[in-house]
Amino acid sequence: TQLLEQSPQFLSIQEGENLTVYCNSSSVFSSLQWYRQEPGEGPVLLVTVVTGGEVKKLKRLTFQFGDARKDSSLHITAAQPGDTGLYLCAGESSNFNKFYFGSGTKLNVKP
Amino acid sequence: NAGVTQTPKFRILKIGQSMTLQCTQDMNHNYMYWYRQDPGMGLKLIYYSVGAGITDKGEVPNGYNVSRSTTEDFPLRLELAAPSQTSVYFCASRSQFGNEQFFGPGTRLTVL
Repeated sequence: TQLLEQSPQFLSIQEGENLTVYCNSSSVFSSLQWYRQEPGEGPVLLVTVVTGGEVKKLKRLTFQFGDARKDSSLHITAAQPGDTGLYLCAGESSNFNKFYFGSGTKLNVKP
Repeated sequence: NAGVTQTPKFRILKIGQSMTLQCTQDMNHNYMYWYRQDPGMGLKLIYYSVGAGITDKGEVPNGYNVSRSTTEDFPLRLELAAPSQTSVYFCASRSQFGNEQFFGPGTRLTVL
């Protein structure tokens, strides 16, 4: 069983479209992180959200942490081919020692 | 700074063989992690360490062992390789003062 469920699993869109990726759990996390992973490489951190209801923006990417700190969303505005990759969410355990990853969303942005 | 380095990059094992995956970080991070990633999936935590001499199990520890004798090194040992251990293995580290994990480039392991 997966502690963090991500949806959708796959997303193929045209350049310029908007999209939202969801990360849901029944557990409460100390923080929630979003990573992007390119083929053949390790994940790279995009953002960390800590406070319930927190919203962070990173250029065309908007991240939100749910009020109850159980879920998060990633919204991309006007997607570019360079956004193509695997997006992973990760929840930090309450004792701050470890992280649980979602199953990932594979995004393909076509030119 | 090299960050997190992993060796080897690729390895093919026969069923029942053993091997050690090496991980070294030069950032003086207390926390280190081993994950495995199956094709098209997220990462599963195998073992983690909060400092030299301290290790603990993650979600999928069976079939693996770790040690942490120094701050820099966190090797992962497979004693009796099984096909189910075919995966990409990532090592990561983070500072005790932050929550960003820095990942190594991964080791792609195939057990035949």
